[in-house]
Amino acid sequence: DTAVSQTPKYLVTQMGNDKSIKCEQNLGHDTMYWYKQDSKKFLKIMFSYNNKELIINETVPNRFSPKSPDKAHLNLHINSLELGDSAVYFCASSQTTGTGYTQYFGPGTRLTVL
Amino acid sequence: GENVEQHPSTLSVQEGDSAVIKCTYSDSASNYFPWYKQELGKRPQLIIDIRSNVGEKKDQRIAVTLNKTAKHFSLHITETQPEDSAVYFCAVPLGAGGTSYGKLTFGQGTILTVHP
Repeated sequence: DTAVSQTPKYLVTQMGNDKSIKCEQNLGHDTMYWYKQDSKKFLKIMFSYNNKELIINETVPNRFSPKSPDKAHLNLHINSLELGDSAVYFCASSQTTGTGYTQYFGPGTRLTVL
Repeated sequence: GENVEQHPSTLSVQEGDSAVIKCTYSDSASNYFPWYKQELGKRPQLIIDIRSNVGEKKDQRIAVTLNKTAKHFSLHITETQPEDSAVYFCAVPLGAGGTSYGKLTFGQGTILTVHP
């Protein structure tokens, strides 16, 4: 009955490779997000999808491409991985109708680029 | 966009002491102020939030106070325990009343350590 799930939990890969992270939420929320958390713990938003439509695209290299096949899923594909991409990536979801803003986070994916 | 400043970046207290973390924000239209707790190796989780129509909200040992005039809000933890050790984040929604779609701008985080 996990609310927001991500796979994989750990990802270790070589520079230059392409990898994907998957996210699913079963809360019925209309909006999903990807965050990057670096070694200093700063949580930086990367993308947001509302009802499968991209609505927030922060300054992120175009090697990062999100895809939302439906409201419950938001995947992140990263091309040509670089050392600086090493971080923990969190998926989150929220319901943005009414007055709700609470975001529910997934368990995170620790990406290590060697 | 919304600018959020969180202080201090680290806070070390003895068990039983109180801890206070403060956030300032720039958009006077902001109307929702949550605090998230992230334990080591875990996901951030909401612990308390406050809306702009009240000045204080309390939940057992944690409380949040809001000063809309000065544009700052604070997290207060009383009778701290070792399990309160974590990173705490404040957040503010982007563009209250606008097409923010729930986007939150997070503060830089405060590493709280409670020594037994």
